[in-house]
Order: sequence, then C-alpha cells, then structure tokens
Amino acid sequence: AQSVTQLGSHVSVSEGALVLLRCNYSSSVPPYLFWYVQYPNQGLQLLLKYTSAATLVKGINGFEAEFKKSETSFHLTKPSAHMSDAAEYFCAVKSGANSKLTFGKGITLSVRP
Amino acid sequence: EAEVAQSPRYKITEKSQAVAFWCDPISGHATLYWYRQILGQGPELLVQFQDESVVDDSQLPKDRFSAERLKGVDSTLKIQPAELGDSAMYLCASSTAAFIENTIYFGEGSWLTVV
Repeated sequence: AQSVTQLGSHVSVSEGALVLLRCNYSSSVPPYLFWYVQYPNQGLQLLLKYTSAATLVKGINGFEAEFKKSETSFHLTKPSAHMSDAAEYFCAVKSGANSKLTFGKGITLSVRP
Repeated sequence: EAEVAQSPRYKITEKSQAVAFWCDPISGHATLYWYRQILGQGPELLVQFQDESVVDDSQLPKDRFSAERLKGVDSTLKIQPAELGDSAMYLCASSTAAFIENTIYFGEGSWLTVV
C-alpha cells in the first residue's frame, strides 16, 4: 500500500521568506511523487513530479523538491515566498503497477505581507 | 492549453434528490478519473476508467453512486439519492494512459452542497 503524510495543516511565512512544505511517503516499491497546488475554488495544478530521473526536481513558479530515499521524503521548497503563493498544497504518490494517485491531506500556505 | 472540462461548477441539491456531474477530458486521454475532495482533506479516488471500461471503483459507494463513460470520451457521475455527507468537491481528471509515470490533469471541479 502507498501513502503520503503531510504533517501540520497550515504554514505561515512572510513575503520573501523561505517556503518549506514537508511530505513523507510510504511505498513498498520505488515511488513516483507529485506536488499539486490548489487555489481557492479551483482544481489541482501540477507543480512538479519526481519520476526517478533526478532527485532534485524543479517545477513551476520557482518551486523545487528533493527526493530523499533514506528519509522517505519529498519536501517542497521555494527560496522566496510571494503573496500569490498562498494556496493549498498537496503531495501525492503513485507506486507499482497501479496508476492510482494517493494524496496527502494537504497544507495551507499563508503569506504575510 | 487543453483542459479537463467539468460542469456544473456549483450545485445545491436537497437531500434525497438526484444529481449528476459531467466531465470532458483532454482530447486523446484514454484514462479518466473521478475524485471526491471533502473540505480540508485531500482528494480520494472514486472511480477510474480506461477508455469505456471501469478499472477501479473500489471506493465508489455503489448503492448511490454510478459512473459511466459510454463512448470512452466524456463521463457522467451520478448520485441518487444525495445525502448530507456527499457535500464535497467532485474532481474529474485525465491522463494519456494509465502508466505510473503519466501526469494526471485535473479539471476545475464541481462543488456539491446537499441541504
């Protein structure tokens, strides 16, 4: 079985500060990992994905994530937060032959002026 | 840029009534998914289609929910009768094929409020 854990439900940072959103996964086989962003009343937009090609993955809007097998983690970072980054962020995993995408509970990011 | 289209965006219905949601995936996408997202939680898969066939409906409450994709293109998700606990966002998504490396693209979602 595959699963994702996103600890905490809310992160608040100041504009210009580092953004760090944590994600840990559980999978019995090498996983494919994804970060999606959801703005209010909208669907999910793919930020980035890890598919085993490189452990450091760069995505849209200046976000990146690093796959660390030893820590079973795939944390999302951005060096400098913008007000427009305020949204909900979901980590998700696929593994094995199953193409099913399993999501974490999500983290709400707030950005203070 | 091609998008997954969903309608209606918002629906308010009374308990015990029937409600239906429609989805048109990105052209050429063989795999179609319906997810349910309860407020404050991550999306959960309800049903997955490969072309017109259901490949996973293990989490679909079949006593009241049904889904179809008759011609392997657009799809309809129906709830009958609706219950208060069905209030959620229903997300449709699609991908070119059901391979693990393929990206799944989501629509804007359909918000359902059951009163």
